[in-house]
Amino acid sequence: EVQLVESGGGLVQPGGSLRLSCAASGFTFSSYSMNWVRQAPGKGLEWVSYISSSSSTIYYADSVKGRFTISRDNAKNSLYLQMNSLRDEDTAVYYCARGEMHFDYWGQGTLVTVSS
Amino acid sequence: QSVLTQPPSVSGAPGQRVTISCTGSSSNIGAGYDVHWYQQLPGTAPKLLIYGNSNRPSGVPDRFSGSKSGTSASLAITGLQAEDEADYYCQSYDSSLRGVFGTGTKVTVL
Repeated sequence: EVQLVESGGGLVQPGGSLRLSCAASGFTFSSYSMNWVRQAPGKGLEWVSYISSSSSTIYYADSVKGRFTISRDNAKNSLYLQMNSLRDEDTAVYYCARGEMHFDYWGQGTLVTVSS
Repeated sequence: QSVLTQPPSVSGAPGQRVTISCTGSSSNIGAGYDVHWYQQLPGTAPKLLIYGNSNRPSGVPDRFSGSKSGTSASLAITGLQAEDEADYYCQSYDSSLRGVFGTGTKVTVL
């Protein structure tokens, strides 16, 4: 069974940093591209970042470019999102999602709250 | 910001048919990129409902169907059931923004 489990969310002050993790199991992690998608409270979905299976290709949404860094460790079946210079508007549930052009499996999400 | 536009809400009685539109542009849907649909039940993560414009993953009832034409796409739900009450999002690819989602539509079963 495919499982994606996010962790690392929490309360952080504006300007602070946080590192999210996504532990994958039930499939060959190293063969799949991965993404981070977020959802602000009461709002819609927003794609955040993409990383190819070998980490050779990475994309970011304009809203996080230069502040967030996506990475993965295929040996540990894990996906990461390093978030720096956090802003109020980064407050959201962050989901990791598997897929290249569409997202066939999602984690349960981890809540990031940016507030003073 | 979303570049795919959906109606905020649609509603129907049990057993009825409802459709949700997803309008894009020449840089995403109109450029030939596939459209995918997700269902998000209250308090849960999104679930893939339709991929590649009209394909259903295993386990998704055939009451759900998708289509695409020009710069738009549609999701149809026939035989509406109470358990279909959820938020629905379309998603495609944009040459400049990578993955792009629709604004989302809340389906209410009357």
